[in-house]
Amino acid sequence: DIQMTQSPSSLSASVGDRVTITCRTSQSISSYLNWYQQKPGKAPKLLIYAASSLQSGVPSRFSGSGSGTDFTLTISRLQPEDFATYYCQQSYSAPQTFGQGTKVEIK
Amino acid sequence: QVQLQQWGAGLLRPSETLSLTCGVYDESFSGYLWTWIRQPPGKGLEWIGEINHFGYTNYNPSLKSRVTISVDTSKNYFSLRLNSVTAADTAVYYCARQQVLRLLGRWFDPWGQGTLVTVSS
Repeated sequence: DIQMTQSPSSLSASVGDRVTITCRTSQSISSYLNWYQQKPGKAPKLLIYAASSLQSGVPSRFSGSGSGTDFTLTISRLQPEDFATYYCQQSYSAPQTFGQGTKVEIK
Repeated sequence: QVQLQQWGAGLLRPSETLSLTCGVYDESFSGYLWTWIRQPPGKGLEWIGEINHFGYTNYNPSLKSRVTISVDTSKNYFSLRLNSVTAADTAVYYCARQQVLRLLGRWFDPWGQGTLVTVSS
């Protein structure tokens, strides 16, 4: 299985901050990397697919980049509704696997 | 806009069989994979398996011996069965539609609302 390592595991930030979350994979996955947002008690929501494509309806302050083994999710200006846990997921090979999550908390 | 609505028993005893169903509304089954994913309390996400409209399945090797995913295209739902459950199977179980696009990969969107399944004696 491909191992996914997100960093940091958690972070504290203020509204308006620029936030960057990193996902590293145990082997190259080209651009087959997706990002999800999960709020407490809710199902995950797709934000970014294929490393850098913004899902329809997702605000443009979210962006993704990277290829190979290193990927980044950036929130350009953090909004109150962005406090949540973020997961990366690879679809390069089965079984598809997820990162352990990054919790974004209010500073 | 496609919606996924799931249902099933939420409390099981060890050795029983978990059974969940996911209804798919306002969407055709063909052209997608239909997936089950679980999340133990306070932990990360684990892909369980998937099925297409022909009934072709693919399972996580870690669960393959105990999992069955089936589909009823006439009723627009797909189901999950997990045999011989233990406390380690306690989790929120989600169904999700999986989009597959050549050269871009695959992703899960949308998701069902989730069902907490607790295994306890």
